[in-house]
Amino acid sequence: GQQLNQSPQSMFIQEGEDVSMNCTSSSIFNTWLWYKQDPGEGPVLLIALYKAGELTSNGRLTAQFGITRKDSFLNISASIPSDVGIYFCAGGTSGSRLTFGEGTQLTVNP
Amino acid sequence: DTAVSQTPKYLVTQMGNDKSIKCEQNLGHDTMYWYKQDSKKFLKIMFSYNNKELIINETVPNRFSPKSPDKAHLNLHINSLELGDSAVYFCASSQVRLAGGKQYFGPGTRLTVT
Repeated sequence: GQQLNQSPQSMFIQEGEDVSMNCTSSSIFNTWLWYKQDPGEGPVLLIALYKAGELTSNGRLTAQFGITRKDSFLNISASIPSDVGIYFCAGGTSGSRLTFGEGTQLTVNP
Repeated sequence: DTAVSQTPKYLVTQMGNDKSIKCEQNLGHDTMYWYKQDSKKFLKIMFSYNNKELIINETVPNRFSPKSPDKAHLNLHINSLELGDSAVYFCASSQVRLAGGKQYFGPGTRLTVT
C-alpha cells in the first residue's frame, strides 16, 4: 500500500523560532492535508492542498503541495507555546481514503 | 456545536468483554470512518462507510464490527476484547464527492483493556 515518510519525528525548539516539517511518498497524491493533534484530542485540519505547486497559508502556517505530487511541507513561523502537539500529513487519491504520515511531535520551550 | 462526537470518551474494561463505541456527525457528510491510534500515535484506518455501505474494510480482526444505522451514525462493536485492543479510537467523517476529501475527526475514545 501507499506509505508516507514524515520527518522529523520530533522537534524541540525555542519560542519564536520557525519550524519546517515535510512528507514524502513514492506514490502520487491528488490531495495533501495537514492536521494537528493536541493531547487528548482528535486531529484538527489545518490546511488542505489540491493542486501541484499550490502554496497556502493559514495564519502563521504555510504549506505547499510539491510539484511532483509526491511531497508536501508545512512551515510554522514565529512559534508559540500553543503550537505544541503532533502534526500529521495525509495524502489523498481518488475516493475517500487518506494515507497518514507517522506524525511530527513538536515541543516549544518558552 | 459538536461536528463529530463520540461516546464514551474513556472506556476501561476487562479482557473477554464486549463493548461498543458510538459516533455521530452533524455535518451532513456521506462518509464516516473508524481509525485506531496506537501508543506510537500512528493513525490506522479500520473501516469506512458511505451512505451506510461499507467501502473500506482493512485487515482487522473480525471481533470488530462496524454498524451504520444511517449516514450520520457509525458505531463500532468489539467482541471478546484483548489487551492489544487498548488504543485510542477515532471516528471521522467527510463528503466523499470531493476527491481525497477533508476528514473531520471526533475527540477519540480511549479504550483500556485490563
